[in-house]
Amino acid sequence: SQQGEEDPQALSIQEGENATMNCSYKTSINNLQWYRQNSGRGLVHLILIRSNEREKHSGRLRVTLDTSKKSSSLLITASRAADTASYFCATDADTGGFKTIFGAGTRLFVKA
Amino acid sequence: NAGVTQTPKFQVLKTGQSMTLQCAQDMNHEYMSWYRQDPGMGLRLIHYSVGAGITDQGEVPNGYNVSRSTTEDFPLRLLSAAPSQTSVYFCASNKHYNSPLHFGNGTRLTVT
Repeated sequence: SQQGEEDPQALSIQEGENATMNCSYKTSINNLQWYRQNSGRGLVHLILIRSNEREKHSGRLRVTLDTSKKSSSLLITASRAADTASYFCATDADTGGFKTIFGAGTRLFVKA
Repeated sequence: NAGVTQTPKFQVLKTGQSMTLQCAQDMNHEYMSWYRQDPGMGLRLIHYSVGAGITDQGEVPNGYNVSRSTTEDFPLRLLSAAPSQTSVYFCASNKHYNSPLHFGNGTRLTVT
């Protein structure tokens, strides 16, 4: 079973609006990562947040982590058409081994 | 700097045929992984390696073999292809545990 579950599965917004995607996970983690995938391409790392951090920013991206609720959110502010992509959360599934487990992703469509 | 290179980009196999998907990285990363991506399923971890000579199973290892004789290369072998292995395969590497993954552009495999 997958460690991370994104919500919503798909999101359609107008350019300039904010986009919020959520991720829930099942077991304790050391870190949580967000990745972006353009159609037909490999994934690109966006941001990593450690379990002792609550919020992290990178440009127009803001990630929050709530370990008590086992959830994270990715906010993209002032969306652009070029932000159209699939976004995935991934966790290290703290089992003592090296495994990075991905959720099913959120497909974001930003209309120009 | 090429990053993570996967070959081939596309492959069609008949049921029962064998093949090897190649993956090479030039970043001197210790950790390498193989994922498969199916529609609506996100990425699922097949096998991973924490260094030359060390490999372990991921979420969906059945039907696949790996070996890691050098730091740079991590080939994925399908011994007897099945239609259920039709998927897009991604190789990834990262410097160490808890660091971001760098992905190749994928191999699209069809088994008929």
